[in-house]
Amino acid sequence: KAGVTQTPRYLIKTRGQQVTLSCSPISGHRSVSWYQQTPGQGLQFLFEYFSETQRNKGNFPGRFSGRQFSNSRSEMNVSTLELGDSALYLCASSLNWGSIPYEQYFGPGTRLTVT
Amino acid sequence: KNEVEQSPQNLTAQEGEFITINCSYSVGISALHWLQQHPGGGIVSLFMLSSGKKKHGRLIATINIQEKHSSLHITASHPRDSAVYICARGIQGAQKLVFGQGTRLTINP
Repeated sequence: KAGVTQTPRYLIKTRGQQVTLSCSPISGHRSVSWYQQTPGQGLQFLFEYFSETQRNKGNFPGRFSGRQFSNSRSEMNVSTLELGDSALYLCASSLNWGSIPYEQYFGPGTRLTVT
Repeated sequence: KNEVEQSPQNLTAQEGEFITINCSYSVGISALHWLQQHPGGGIVSLFMLSSGKKKHGRLIATINIQEKHSSLHITASHPRDSAVYICARGIQGAQKLVFGQGTRLTINP
């Protein structure tokens, strides 16, 4: 089975622009989570999706949004980019969602640089 | 105070040494995850456990639910084990993870 894929892998944007990142989960996986990793804050949870519905959102401003499609693929969008949004954005897929914990499989990440 | 605390933050050892990384958490968990991140960013899930002990090759993970503590052990360490090791707690009723700050492990030949 192919792993989690993320596109693009690298991105350079300027302040004020907006960006869309894409994540394709492992085939058959129905839950997708997004995380931001920065040197200062480490790994932080952004949002998680299951069955095309956002199930939880982390403590990020409304400029950060996302969605999940019927094939479980997910996108996240950041509008009005700020320098502090420069980070590695990781998505992870898991088989299902709910009260039972599932192992998470991470994609390679999208490295976003905002200049 | 972070909900998930790891120690040590940095660890340098010689090839062949036995390595222990510790993780403490302050609230309930659905499961405790151990992750490995190599330079370049890719994260690999090593273990997910909610009780007892698991072993994969030279890696062993243990958890004590009553003490809210988990350890990751590496036996016969090798330079290729050099990476950042991250523990993360699973949130009950969700799949999201809350991460520790990571332990940077360097194994010298």
